[in-house]
Amino acid sequence: EAGVAQSPRYKIIEKRQSVAFWCNPISGHATLYWYQQILGQGPKLLIQFQNNGVVDDSQLPKDRFSAERLKGVDSTLKIQPAKLEDSAVYLCASSLISGTNTGELFFGEGSRLTVL
Amino acid sequence: KQEVTQIPAALSVPEGENLVLNCSFTDSAIYNLQWFRQDPGKGLTSLLLIQSSQREQTSGRLNASLDKSSGRSTLYIAASQPGDSATYLCAPNDYKLSFGAGTTVTVRA
Repeated sequence: EAGVAQSPRYKIIEKRQSVAFWCNPISGHATLYWYQQILGQGPKLLIQFQNNGVVDDSQLPKDRFSAERLKGVDSTLKIQPAKLEDSAVYLCASSLISGTNTGELFFGEGSRLTVL
Repeated sequence: KQEVTQIPAALSVPEGENLVLNCSFTDSAIYNLQWFRQDPGKGLTSLLLIQSSQREQTSGRLNASLDKSSGRSTLYIAASQPGDSATYLCAPNDYKLSFGAGTTVTVRA
């Protein structure tokens, strides 16, 4: 079974530039998550989708971050304009769901962003 | 808001020693709790998922216990090996997963 796919693995940009990350979840997984992991910290949830609807985006900095999951399959996370503090690894995860009890989460390898 | 604490932050042991990793969380109204492993520069690998109705879950040399009422979970790794060196994170799920900063384990050969 194929895992969660993410691209690009690495990206270096100047501040105020824009960047986009792509994620393709495990086939059949209805729930998709984007997490931000700053060096030395645990992952922080940015946005959670169930199919193509947003379940939770309370910690997404909406003035600069946006995410979409068209057709309820793959997803794109965009940052525009980027700030130095956005340097982090952006992790995508997916899970099967049963009501509000999310099942086991499976993560991709992550996309490492460096903002100079 | 769920707060997750993992103690110790780092641990170094000789090969063959048993590992005990602690996780505490502030909101006991969880559906389940998941333990992950993260190697440097990599994503998270799921180790164990323990449901709120369970007291423990085992997989090979790994055993996780859950005391939901006191907000604690413990991951035991028996007979540690150098390949177990990684950061271990726990994540209680109260409709979404919240993570601690993890425990970084080094197993010396």
